[in-house]
Amino acid sequence: NAGVMQNPRHLVRRRGQEARLRCSPMKGHSHVYWYRQLPEEGLKFMVYLQKENIIDESGMPKERFSAEFPKEGPSILRIQQVVRGDSAAYFCASSPTGTGVTHEQYFGPGTRLTVT
Amino acid sequence: AQKVTQAQTEISVVEKEDVTLDCVYETRDTTYYLFWYKQPPSGELVFLIRRNSFDEQNEISGRYSWNFQKSTSSFNFTITASQVVDSAVYFCALSEANFGNEKLTFGTGTRLTIIP
Repeated sequence: NAGVMQNPRHLVRRRGQEARLRCSPMKGHSHVYWYRQLPEEGLKFMVYLQKENIIDESGMPKERFSAEFPKEGPSILRIQQVVRGDSAAYFCASSPTGTGVTHEQYFGPGTRLTVT
Repeated sequence: AQKVTQAQTEISVVEKEDVTLDCVYETRDTTYYLFWYKQPPSGELVFLIRRNSFDEQNEISGRYSWNFQKSTSSFNFTITASQVVDSAVYFCALSEANFGNEKLTFGTGTRLTIIP
């Protein structure tokens, strides 16, 4: 059973370009969480998605950032017109249920975004 | 709102010494989950333990042990007979039972260095 997969593992973008980060949850998981880790800091929640729905985007910056989790395919975190401050590690985690019962989250290896 | 505080930013100990990493949390919920994650230099997040608020039993797993005390809102982590491979950043995290939204609130992490 493959774990959570994220790609690319490393991404370099110039200021003003777009960054697309992909997350494939574990098989059978329909809930995805995205977190951002700025250099030398802890992880901060960004968004929680279920298939085709954004449940909680309270941690997402209001501009340039968007996320989706389509019925088919991976979850995508999209950052438009990247700036140097977007340089960070982006982790996604998947969960089997959203009932608040198991509270199991399985993390991917992360995507390290560098904006030059 | 929930909050996790890891007051120790960095700790260095000599190999084979015991070390305790502190974690203090704040939440208004009576039902919640506490976690510890390890982030080695390679950058991935390694799950160590999950504990729910109704289970105050301390837990031991090999050289690792956890002390959960609701009275002081603390969930401390002790490594016995530390080894160089224990060098990493350790994060404590909290998840509330929030209608299925299991997003994690992380502390800022403690960087542990084991000196050979």
